[in-house]
Amino acid sequence: QVQLVESGGGVVRPGDSLRLSCVASGFTFSRSDMHWVRQAPGKGLEWVAFIRNDGRIVYADSVKGRFTISRDNSKNTLYLQMNSLRADDTALYYCTEGRVDFDYWGQGTLVTVSS
Amino acid sequence: DVVMTQSPLSLPVTLGQPASISCRSSQSLVHSDGNTYLIWFHQRPGQSPRRLIYKVSKRGSGVPDRFSGIGSGTDFTLEISRVEADDVGVYYCMQATLWPLTFGGGTKVEIK
Repeated sequence: QVQLVESGGGVVRPGDSLRLSCVASGFTFSRSDMHWVRQAPGKGLEWVAFIRNDGRIVYADSVKGRFTISRDNSKNTLYLQMNSLRADDTALYYCTEGRVDFDYWGQGTLVTVSS
Repeated sequence: DVVMTQSPLSLPVTLGQPASISCRSSQSLVHSDGNTYLIWFHQRPGQSPRRLIYKVSKRGSGVPDRFSGIGSGTDFTLEISRVEADDVGVYYCMQATLWPLTFGGGTKVEIK
């Protein structure tokens, strides 16, 4: 069955960096498009970034220039490199599969940015 | 950016009764490929979102037929024919037609 497992979250200070990972199994990762979506505590869902199977990338304006989405198909892993973190980046970060599918989600990894 | 406006914000419902959530987009969600990528999710407290409906009206795998989606263009509705206790939580619409992808603000469903 499809599984997405995020990791890498933690508590960091403003300006710090963090790299999130999402390990995929149960489907052909190399052929799949992937997204990162986040949810601030007690708030709604916000789309963050997308990477197509051929490497095309799109970012939300709120993270453009600070976050980098990437993938390693040999490891079935999706990444989100987050630099220059701000307090408003505090959220539960989910990875999800498919350009328009959003059928499978991980359990999320919590990022807290606080001084 | 496409703004997704959901209403109501909060929806108290009676078990066994129908419920309806509206989602309006600021632009048409018809993609150049002819599809309309409007998705509905349900999120229970402490859980990841679960996709209910995709492409406006197609039910996801394992989704009860009590849930249905209707609409076109900029106006969409999620309908629950008979609310069950398990249906509490927050419902979100999302458009995946235009970049950046955007979500509605959510509708909290609770039992009266």
